[in-house]
Amino acid sequence: GENVEQHPSTLSVQEGDSAVIKCTYSDSASNYFPWYKQELGKGPQLIIDIRSNVGEKKDQRIAVTLNKTAKHFSLHITETQPEDSAVYFCAASYSGGGADGLTFGKGTHLIIQP
Amino acid sequence: KAGVTQTPRYLIKTRGQQVTLSCSPISGHRSVSWYQQTPGQGLQFLFEYFSETQRNKGNFPGRFSGRQFSNSRSEMNVSTLELGDSALYLCASSSIAGTSTGELFFGEGSRLTVL
Repeated sequence: GENVEQHPSTLSVQEGDSAVIKCTYSDSASNYFPWYKQELGKGPQLIIDIRSNVGEKKDQRIAVTLNKTAKHFSLHITETQPEDSAVYFCAASYSGGGADGLTFGKGTHLIIQP
Repeated sequence: KAGVTQTPRYLIKTRGQQVTLSCSPISGHRSVSWYQQTPGQGLQFLFEYFSETQRNKGNFPGRFSGRQFSNSRSEMNVSTLELGDSALYLCASSSIAGTSTGELFFGEGSRLTVL
């Protein structure tokens, strides 16, 4: 089955700086890569996703890049703000009828320092 | 529009007991997925239901089961509880089948503690 590795496990950045979280996946058949943000006491919430026919996608301060050859994808957050502090999860799956649902990375605790 | 509702939010059980967790999806959503979240293993897929049928199942023992009703509400059951079953159980709903086809809307979870 699919295996997703996520780094770093904790990331502390100064407010206003950029943050980058990286993930690698093992199954070359995976073609859907969402990123979820989980705040304390809440369920994960989708912030951005990308499919394998696209190399980059941007939504305001958030962007995701995908390198299919290297099997890795990254989340970029620019101009970080205090409300960006949360745990971020990458995930991968195959939309062709895979039986495993979404396979998540272990998460990155992003801390925005004032 | 109401979000995904999970009940109960917190519960404590002892080893050997069984537990039933409930999930009400967003109105109009017919797909419900369940995930187990633990500090060590992270988020792991349990199963997905669509229109009362289990579509996918993760790598969990048979003690973990679920079902979906005609109104799309779902329940999951864990029998013969073990200490390692202590976790946050998250339910997610989607308007279409397949957890890889689009956004999952998660509830706040049911936190199970097994003593």
